[in-house]
Amino acid sequence: DVKVTQSSRYLVKRTGEKVFLECVQDMDHENMFWYRQDPGLGLRLIYFSYDVKMKEKGDIPEGYSVSREKKERFSLILESASTNQTSMYLCASSLGGTGFQETQYFGPGTRLLVL
Amino acid sequence: QQPVQSPQAVILREGEDAVINCSSSKALYSVHWYRQKHGEAPVFLMILLKGGEQKGHEKISASFNEKKQQSSLYLTASQLSYSGTYFCGTERRSGNTPLVFGKGTRLSVIA
Repeated sequence: DVKVTQSSRYLVKRTGEKVFLECVQDMDHENMFWYRQDPGLGLRLIYFSYDVKMKEKGDIPEGYSVSREKKERFSLILESASTNQTSMYLCASSLGGTGFQETQYFGPGTRLLVL
Repeated sequence: QQPVQSPQAVILREGEDAVINCSSSKALYSVHWYRQKHGEAPVFLMILLKGGEQKGHEKISASFNEKKQQSSLYLTASQLSYSGTYFCGTERRSGNTPLVFGKGTRLSVIA
């Protein structure tokens, strides 16, 4: 069974803090993704990575950065958290090698509240 | 651009049928369907890769009309366990770009 884990289920931070959200997958997947989920807006792609040290911007990258130093780990960084970054953050991974047509496996999500 | 899903929400009684639509203004190469139950992660249902193809998962099936740039998800004889939010994800170019997900359709099945 593919397992995607995220470091925290709930996180409360203050405006201006640097925030790290960690995601780990255990199936040797090449592709990893960070999404943001807000009511009425669906799943919006922040960043994705198709290989170690490779990263690409998604649809809403502003205010975020990512790091992928190891294949199994993909980190989302909020350099200076703001209240409009309060949201549910979902990580996902997929096998890779044939583009992005494969099944994505999602982690349980991190609900971030920025005060 | 996000694909457009309709309806935004639907309430069904057990045993009733429902159709969820997903349409795009851009050419579609594949359509993916996911279901997210309340408080859980989205889970993959099916991928449709060819125009006109139909696939099934339990009593849930889907079609993909390449010409109309749309896909429909059919839920037959709905069960309480079908409740959740359904997302379609569309592929913008064949194999080269990640999915764009719609805003979701919230389905509630009541006894």
